[in-house]
Amino acid sequence: ETGVTQTPRHLVMGMTNKKSLKCEQHLGHNAMYWYKQSAKKPLELMFVYSLEERVENNSVPSRFSPECPNSSHLFLHLHTLQPEDSALYLCASSPDRGLGGYTFGSGTRLTVV
Amino acid sequence: QQQVKQSPQSLIVQKGGISIINCAYENTAFDYFPWYQQFPGKGPALLIAIRPDVSEKKEGRFTISFNKSAKQFSLHIMDSQPGDSATYFCAASRSSSNTGKLIFGQGTTLQVKP
Repeated sequence: ETGVTQTPRHLVMGMTNKKSLKCEQHLGHNAMYWYKQSAKKPLELMFVYSLEERVENNSVPSRFSPECPNSSHLFLHLHTLQPEDSALYLCASSPDRGLGGYTFGSGTRLTVV
Repeated sequence: QQQVKQSPQSLIVQKGGISIINCAYENTAFDYFPWYQQFPGKGPALLIAIRPDVSEKKEGRFTISFNKSAKQFSLHIMDSQPGDSATYFCAASRSSSNTGKLIFGQGTTLQVKP
């Protein structure tokens, strides 16, 4: 384990479902991130939270809704997704914004049917 | 300006050989350049990183070479082993950024043949 735990590891959902992805870190990091990783594409930054405040939304469709209730937990709420949203969703944390050194979780493999 | 271009997309190397992956960037404000290694079913893991005040950093068999004037940096894996077979991502960020956002390259899939 890297210190960043993501659940579930795998998720299959229909286009009308609502589900949530969870990320938890106990590394004492202040910043948390959601990335989308699709086959043959670069890692795409979705959201950045710093000290529980959303500091960046990278033009992500509203069917993805992040939530950061505290510095250790990050959620990604999903609703009315499309098949093209199928991907590996990665959570990462870092000690502070601007210093790099991300620690990634193992990701949630999402399949939208 | 925000892109990091990585090449090659895939690489096959014989065991014991040298693997070389290259990255180029445009934004001269970038000042942190990490490399990540990702095995199937896992998230990327930080492998080695460099800041532009040095031209080379070595950790075991892994070396980053950095050319500030050319805005290029590369990862060299010496004595490549089958266990090094993975996808490698270069990245860049600005320490002055208020988000710590890493810009990733497209990734290189490395296969080391026994």
